[in-house]
Amino acid sequence: EAQVTQNPRYLITVTGKKLTVTCSQNMNHEYMSWYRQDPGLGLRQIYYSMNVEVTDKGDVPEGYKVSRKEKRNFPLILESPSPNQTSLYFCASSPRTSGAKRMQYFGPGTRLTVT
Amino acid sequence: SQKIEQNSEALNIQEGKTATLTCNYTNYSPAYLQWYRQDPGRGPVFLLLIRENEKEKRKERLKVTFDTTLKQSLFHITASQPADSATYLCALDEGYSTLTFGKGTMLLVSP
Repeated sequence: EAQVTQNPRYLITVTGKKLTVTCSQNMNHEYMSWYRQDPGLGLRQIYYSMNVEVTDKGDVPEGYKVSRKEKRNFPLILESPSPNQTSLYFCASSPRTSGAKRMQYFGPGTRLTVT
Repeated sequence: SQKIEQNSEALNIQEGKTATLTCNYTNYSPAYLQWYRQDPGRGPVFLLLIRENEKEKRKERLKVTFDTTLKQSLFHITASQPADSATYLCALDEGYSTLTFGKGTMLLVSP
């Protein structure tokens, strides 16, 4: 089944404890992206990747890191999480980096709470 | 950057009626405009994409219009059903690297 998977789905952690949220897609998509969704603010892009070893900042990159060493994987790293990073996180992939095939396929989400 | 406005108030309609949701943007017209459905606690699901040179796009009970003069897209669901209840997001694709999403409008279809 074609899908985007994220792990973990739920995570409660403490301030400053490094964590990684994994994202994997099995559709051979070039473009991958991370979003966070907060009440009243909608979906905001954190980082995106146009291809392997090519990543760039989205609208809210502060406090996050990413890497794209393989086409299928795009982990999100929080080096020192803070309470303001408590949010619902979505990974997404897209078959193309531009044009009419840029619809996003979203993962199921990771609900992160930082205390 | 683009500012996208979707009605923040929930839209309540009766089953069988046509639901119409609005997406307005402020700056230049995007190359493409996309619509997604999101159920509570789940990831958005892509529904339709319309190009800037298209006026209308249809898929089953769904219809999207794109008016670059008004800087507006309308999303219609005909013969609405309670199962259509969800939040609907529009997203602007200006052809560059990022998509910009609206905050979404919740649709509630009552039997």
